[in-house]
Amino acid sequence: DTEVTQTPKHLVMGMTNKKSLKCEQHMGHRAMYWYKQKAKKPPELMFVYSYEKLSINESVPSRFSPECPNSSLLNLHLHALQPEDSALYLCASSQDPTFYEQYFGPGTRLTVT
Amino acid sequence: AQSVTQPDIHITVSEGASLELRCNYSYGATPYLFWYVQSPGQGLQLLLKYFSGDTLVQGIKGFEAEFKRSQSSFNLRKPSVHWSDAAEYFCAVGDDGTSYDKVIFGPGTSLSVIP
Repeated sequence: DTEVTQTPKHLVMGMTNKKSLKCEQHMGHRAMYWYKQKAKKPPELMFVYSYEKLSINESVPSRFSPECPNSSLLNLHLHALQPEDSALYLCASSQDPTFYEQYFGPGTRLTVT
Repeated sequence: AQSVTQPDIHITVSEGASLELRCNYSYGATPYLFWYVQSPGQGLQLLLKYFSGDTLVQGIKGFEAEFKRSQSSFNLRKPSVHWSDAAEYFCAVGDDGTSYDKVIFGPGTSLSVIP
């Protein structure tokens, strides 16, 4: 099973809302990633979890809060977002953080109104 | 810093025609190279990868890519394109940076297929 799942598929939220994105993998991978992707652009790395610990935060605003409850699950908590945060949010995983081959989920399309 | 360039922003080909998407990288050592495809509104799917060994690598969906160290290139090819190949294609390189390892993506090439 080489699947990474993400829920929800679409999310519309107001700027005062709190919501969460969820990502799950059952490949035994020990590194998980959050990316943000704007239309017609490559993915931009936001966070990396390595062995369930946050190892990289690419200077992401605090209105994005990641969480890794266990080795299979990754959450991204959203609060007080701005319209410019509207994007496709992609989760990925890899065998370990030094292993460049990443498997991506289908993404969550986020619209902030 | 490592970088990846994809000179063609958009390419249009006829169905059944051959395809070559260009990718150039800057990297000091032997790179880890990847091609990903992204259909509209979808995640990225790994087409193929090069780590070492044979410079011609085969991937899924009939794609292949050739690593040419002398040209710092890793071009993607397909002998006969299908309408379902219309998508965004990203070349990427693994970067063992100063503080952590990460994947650097090129800007992407959008492929349109004419029936």
